[in-house]
Formats: sequence, C-alpha cells, structure tokens
Amino acid sequence: NAGVTQTPKFQVLKTGQSMTLQCAQDMNHEYMSWYRQDPGMGLRLIHYSVGAGITDQGEVPNGYNVSRSTTEDFPLRLLSAAPSQTSVYFCASSPQSGGETQYFGPGTRLLVL
Amino acid sequence: AQSVTQLDSHVSVSEGTPVLLRCNYSSSYSPSLFWYVQHPNKGLQLLLKYTSAATLVKGINGFEAEFKKSETSFHLTKPSAHMSDAAEYFCVVSEPSGTYKYIFGTGTRLKVLA
Repeated sequence: NAGVTQTPKFQVLKTGQSMTLQCAQDMNHEYMSWYRQDPGMGLRLIHYSVGAGITDQGEVPNGYNVSRSTTEDFPLRLLSAAPSQTSVYFCASSPQSGGETQYFGPGTRLLVL
Repeated sequence: AQSVTQLDSHVSVSEGTPVLLRCNYSSSYSPSLFWYVQHPNKGLQLLLKYTSAATLVKGINGFEAEFKKSETSFHLTKPSAHMSDAAEYFCVVSEPSGTYKYIFGTGTRLKVLA
C-alpha cells in the first residue's frame, strides 16, 4: 500500500511551457484534491474531485486544469507556466469529502523561470 | 463560511517546556478540526482530529487539543517539547460530509531550543 504518490519530485520549467503533475492513490478514496503551498500562506486548494468524472474548482484554480478518469489518478496540468506558479504542490485524498482525514503525497517542488 | 486563524506564525520554546499553538475557527456548522505537522521538506502528517466526539482529543507524539465551542478555539498543546517537534503546524477546518472544503490556517513554525 503506497498511499498517495506524486511525480515528479522536482521540476524546472520555462515561462510558457506546459506540464502535468501526476498524483495517484491506492486506497480507493473518492475524494482527491490539489493544493499549492507558498510561504506564509498555508495550503490553498486548487482543484478537487469527489469521484471519477467529477471535478470542481477550489480557491486558486486559474492556470490549472484537472481531470479524473479513474478513481486512482488525479493529474494536474499547467497549460502555460508562469513564474507565479512557482510553488510546492501537494496532492491529497480521503475516503469522502468533508470531515474525513486527508492523506497527503510527498509534494512536487516546481520552479518556473 | 469557514475560516481558520492561527494566532502565532512563530513559536519558540525550550526543550522540556510546554508547547501551546493557538487556533481559532469560524464555521456555520459543527466542524471537523484537524492539526497537521510538516517537517522540513516533507509532506503533511495528521497529528489529531476532532469530529464531535470527546472535546479533548489526543494525538500522536504526546500532542493533544481541546475543542472549545464557546471560544471557537482548537489549541494544540504538549506538556514537554522535544527537539524532534521542531516543524510547521497547520490547523484545518472542514464542514461535515457532503461539502468539499478543507480550509488551512497559515501555519505556525515551532522552534525548540536546546
């Protein structure tokens, strides 16, 4: 049982490039989410999903897309990277939304030049 | 609407002395409350959670938190700090199942002095 896995661990992009951050969980959790962590701001919700085929926006969705074709996977796409997207990205999952413990991946550190 | 405020961005304590990390919340419903810990360059680990059972919640590594509805607080305490407790701590509020939001506080960085 690997829990929540994220790849890559670290990535450098140039402004305007696109990329996909991968997230997978093997706990059969319905709820998955993406956060970004910036100094002094805690974690802010980017997008979330309450099940396969269902996604919605969080607090800071601009510049990011998601899809949920399977229960296990929840990739985050940066369409055209900007320096403001330099951050640490965490994926999390929980059995269902609201009130349940979230399990976090190890994070992806992204630098956009 | 939910919100959470961590009252101190940095806390320093000496090893062996008590730890108090303060958290106030706002919620329209009976919330679930969590404390997570993040060690440097690591992911987040659950310390403890409150989900409307006992108001005093015991977590891992000797930490505990007390839910006080009248004060809308959920402060994290530990009787005796250890060097390994140095980390960043996040208070999180979530409303009951059926909603989707987990709202994070901005974090408290705990420094433990030898």
